[in-house]
Amino acid sequence: QLRLQESGPGLVKPSETLSLTCAVTGGSIRTSHYFWAWIRQPPGKGLEWIASLHHSTTSHHNPSLKSRVTISLDTSKNQVSLKLTSVTAADTAVYFCARQPGEGGWFFDYWGQGTLVTVSS
Amino acid sequence: QSALTQPPSVSGSPGQSVTISCTGTSSDIGIYDRVSWYQQPPGTAPKLIIYEVTNRPSGVPRRFSGSKSGNTASLTISGLQTEDEAYYYCTSFTSSITLVFGGGTKLTVL
Repeated sequence: QLRLQESGPGLVKPSETLSLTCAVTGGSIRTSHYFWAWIRQPPGKGLEWIASLHHSTTSHHNPSLKSRVTISLDTSKNQVSLKLTSVTAADTAVYFCARQPGEGGWFFDYWGQGTLVTVSS
Repeated sequence: QSALTQPPSVSGSPGQSVTISCTGTSSDIGIYDRVSWYQQPPGTAPKLIIYEVTNRPSGVPRRFSGSKSGNTASLTISGLQTEDEAYYYCTSFTSSITLVFGGGTKLTVL
């Protein structure tokens, strides 16, 4: 059974860089069919897609976040990473990683439990 | 990119049917059959219940069904059960090669 587990600091200071990892077990992130994605949800609000990445390096980003986002895969550790620079309070959210079935499959069939990141001094 | 439009809330009694709408544009729902729906009880991760407009993943009850007409997609839940109470989100692929979510709908089972 595929499992995704997000981890990272729960508190980040304004203007600093948010860094999260998603450990994938029960399957390889190098499997050709799949993209790996990050989605976030501010407290009490809706979901927002951040970016998706394939191990071939093909990636897609939310235009509103693209200039601040780096998404990467570490195939040796079977992990997906997210970096978000110059954070503000508006970046406070639960961050989820998820699996996206391939270039034509714009949906997420497996999700991690999410990790809350608070941006505050 | 603008979020898809969903009603903030819907409600129904056990056994009844409810439909949640999701309105987009001719740049997303109107031209792509890449609409999906997620169920999210409070404090949990979203769960995929419909993908590519009408398809149900394995394990999702047949009570959940999806459809699309023009720029609007719909999720219908028939035979409402108390455990269906949750937030529901739609998404669509867009012509900008991005993905956009709806604002979410809270389903209350009376």
